[in-house]
Amino acid sequence: QVQLVQSGVEVKKPGASVKVSCKASGYTFTSYGISWVRQAPGQGLEWMGWISPNNGNTNYAQNLQGRVTMTTDTSTSTAYMELRSLRSDDTAVYYCARVLVVAAANWFDPWGQGTLVTVSS
Amino acid sequence: DIQMTQSPSSLSASVGDRVTITCRASQSISSYLNWYQQKPGKAPKLLIYAASSLQSGVPSRFSGSGSGTDFTLTISSLQPEDFATYYCQQSFSTPRTFGQGTNLEIK
Repeated sequence: QVQLVQSGVEVKKPGASVKVSCKASGYTFTSYGISWVRQAPGQGLEWMGWISPNNGNTNYAQNLQGRVTMTTDTSTSTAYMELRSLRSDDTAVYYCARVLVVAAANWFDPWGQGTLVTVSS
Repeated sequence: DIQMTQSPSSLSASVGDRVTITCRASQSISSYLNWYQQKPGKAPKLLIYAASSLQSGVPSRFSGSGSGTDFTLTISSLQPEDFATYYCQQSFSTPRTFGQGTNLEIK
C-alpha cells in the first residue's frame, strides 16, 4: 500500500536547523509531488511548499523563503525538508503528503504520520 | 493569498444527526476544493477532492458540493467515529491554504 514514513521527534535550540525525512513506498516516487504541511500545537494546517521528485522543482511558501529547503533522493524514494534559523514559533508537527493531480485539480493523499519538532532553549 | 473561512468553528451533534460544514473562499476557486478529517494525534485524512468526489474507502455518508466561492461538506448520519476536526483546502493557486477547521464534538 502507498505509505509515507517520517523521521522521529526532534528537539532543537533557537537558531539551529532541522532536517525531516519522509520515505515513500508502494508507488513510483518520481510520478508524484510531495508537499510539506505543518501544524503548531492546537492550531490549524499551514502549507509550507512542494517539490517534484521528477525534476527537483520547488515552490515554497513566501513566509518561509530563505529558511526552508526541500529536496529528494530518488535512489531511496525519500523526501527531505530542512528548516534553518529555528524560532520558538516553528514548534509544530511537520507532515509530508503525496500530491495527486488530475487535470488541474490536486490534493494530498496520503499523509505521513507527522514529525514533532520542538524549538526550545 | 486566498483566504478560506469555515463555519461553524465548532459544532456539537449527536449520533445519527445530519451535519453540514461550510467553507467560503475569498475569491473564486472553481471546484478546486478538498476536505480532510483529522483525529487527535493523527495525520489528516482525505475525504473529498475536487469539491464533490468521494475518496476511495470513505463512507458514502460523506458528501461534498459547491463551486466558485461556497462549498459544503455534509455527513448524512453521524457515526461515533466521525467526531473529529474537518478542514477545507483550496488547490486553485499557491500558496495552498486551509480553512481554520471545524471541531465536531459529541452532544
